[in-house]
Formats: sequence, C-alpha cells, structure tokens
Amino acid sequence: DGGITQSPKYLFRKEGQNVTLSCEQNLNHDAMYWYRQDPGQGLRLIYYSQIVNDFQKGDIAEGYSVSREKKESFPLTVTSAQKNPTAFYLCASTRSAGGYNEQFFGPGTRLTVL
Amino acid sequence: ENQVEHSPHFLGPQQGDVASMSCTYSVSRFNNLQWYRQNTGMGPKHLLSMYSAGYEKQKGRLNATLLKNGSSLYITAVQPEDSATYFCAASNTGNQFYFGTGTSLTVIP
Repeated sequence: DGGITQSPKYLFRKEGQNVTLSCEQNLNHDAMYWYRQDPGQGLRLIYYSQIVNDFQKGDIAEGYSVSREKKESFPLTVTSAQKNPTAFYLCASTRSAGGYNEQFFGPGTRLTVL
Repeated sequence: ENQVEHSPHFLGPQQGDVASMSCTYSVSRFNNLQWYRQNTGMGPKHLLSMYSAGYEKQKGRLNATLLKNGSSLYITAVQPEDSATYFCAASNTGNQFYFGTGTSLTVIP
C-alpha cells in the first residue's frame, strides 16, 4: 500500500540532546512537509521541500533542521536550540503538479522532552 | 499575515442532526481550500478540495461551499463515528498550506 510512514511513534529525549524524526513516502510525491501540532492547536509549518536537495523554512523553523537527499525521505532534526520541543510532529506529502495538491499525512511522532 | 480561523471551536450535535461549521481565511496567492478530518493521536485525512468562490461539493454526507474568503462544511445525519476535529486549510500557489485550529465535533448518541 502507498503511504507515509513516520518513526518512531513515541520519542523521549533529554534536554540538550538532538533527535531525528524519520519520514518516508512511497507515493512518488515531489513535495514533502513537516508540521508541528500542540494540544488544541492547528498545524504549523516547520519546513517544506518541493524537490530533492532543496527545502524552505516555514513559519517556525528556528531550532529545527531538515535534509532531502532522496525523493522518498525527509528527516527532521530537532536540535537543542529548540526551546519547547515537546509536541506532536506530522509529516505530509503532496503532488506539486497543477492545482491538485491534497496533502497525505503520516501517523505522527509524539516527542516528549524530559 | 496568512491565517485561517474556525467557527465554532466546539460542536456537540445530537446523533442524526446536521453539524455546521465554517472557516475564514486570509492567504496571499490563494490557490484552493481543503477540508481535513483528524482523529485524536492520528494524522489528518483529506476530505475534499474546492477551487473558486461559489464552488460547492458533496461527498457522502459532507456538503461544502467555498465563499469569497471563507468556507462552510455541513455534515448531515451525524453519527458518533463522525466525532473528530475538522480543519480547513488554504493553500497558495507556492504549495504552502495554512491550517486553522479546527472545530472539535463530538456527536452525542
């Protein structure tokens, strides 16, 4: 089945540690996205990538970094510079051709900083 | 500033009623508006997309309308399994998506 996988589902880290969240898609989509969701809130864009080896900052990129070395993969690193990293992280992908651009989401990773 | 706002934030209809919710958006280089549904602890799922003001779409028990700078979503004959948070998202021509905080729907059996 085609879809987006995120791992792990739950992640715990100590303050001061960097951690990398995985996102893989087999939908052959060009564009991939990372969002952060806090309790009772909407989705806020962290980074997005329209094509391999290129990515842009979203509204809340500070303290995060990404890479896009393969079309299928878009890992997110939460660095120690992120002041309040505890949140639910969602990865998404979309076709970028034309106006048809519904987003497909992964199951999410819940990150807790201890 | 690009933003999307929902109304109401919470909705509690009786089973079998119509649930009505809406959103307004202010997004530069607007392309289209989409509705998503999210169950607790899961990723959102796309419900439908609309592309121009006056556009109406029906999908099963979902009915949606796109207005100038806003959209309404109606769910007819709501069932307990419809309970979820519903988001609208406005996308721009640069393929960025802006989500509101959503409407939390709880259907009372």
